[in-house]
Amino acid sequence: DTEVTQTPKHLVMGMTNKKSLKCEQHMGHRAMYWYKQKAKKPPELMFVYSYEKLSINESVPSRFSPECPNSSLLNLHLHALQPEDSALYLCASSHPWGKNIQYFGAGTRLSVL
Amino acid sequence: QQQVKQSPQSLIVQKGGISIINCAYENTAFDYFPWYQQFPGKGPALLIAIRPDVSEKKEGRFTISFNKSAKQFSLHIMDSQPGDSATYFCAASMRNFNKFYFGSGTKLNVKP
Repeated sequence: DTEVTQTPKHLVMGMTNKKSLKCEQHMGHRAMYWYKQKAKKPPELMFVYSYEKLSINESVPSRFSPECPNSSLLNLHLHALQPEDSALYLCASSHPWGKNIQYFGAGTRLSVL
Repeated sequence: QQQVKQSPQSLIVQKGGISIINCAYENTAFDYFPWYQQFPGKGPALLIAIRPDVSEKKEGRFTISFNKSAKQFSLHIMDSQPGDSATYFCAASMRNFNKFYFGSGTKLNVKP
């Protein structure tokens, strides 16, 4: 099983809402990632968790708050987003060493009104 | 500064033809070079990857050519099919460092 599952698939939220994106994998990977992807652009790294600890934060605004409750789950909490935050949010996982093969989920399409 | 440069931005190939996408990098510490394929509305999927100790890797119709001295690598899709129409991203990373540097992407359109 090489599946990374993301929920919800689509999300529409207002600028004052609080919502969360969820990501789950059962491949035993101990590195998990959040990416943001705008149309016709490559994925842009936001956060990396390694062994459930935040190891990379690419200077992401605090309105995005990641959480890794256990080795299989990764959340992204959203609050007071701006319309320009509308994008496809991708989760990925990999072993934190060795082959570095990243497996991506299908993403959550987020629209901020 | 863009760590991985990819070209062309878009590519149109006839069915049965060869699609070639090129990438170049500067950081000699990179030691893993994957290619990802992304269909609209989907996440990127690993297609094929190479390490710098080999000059070529082939998997089915997909081949990576790697030129360490020139710091370039390319994806060749032989006998291109309409189902190959997608966006392709090259990437690079360093061993044991969980950060991937993506190229800007190439939108491939294979015409029937």
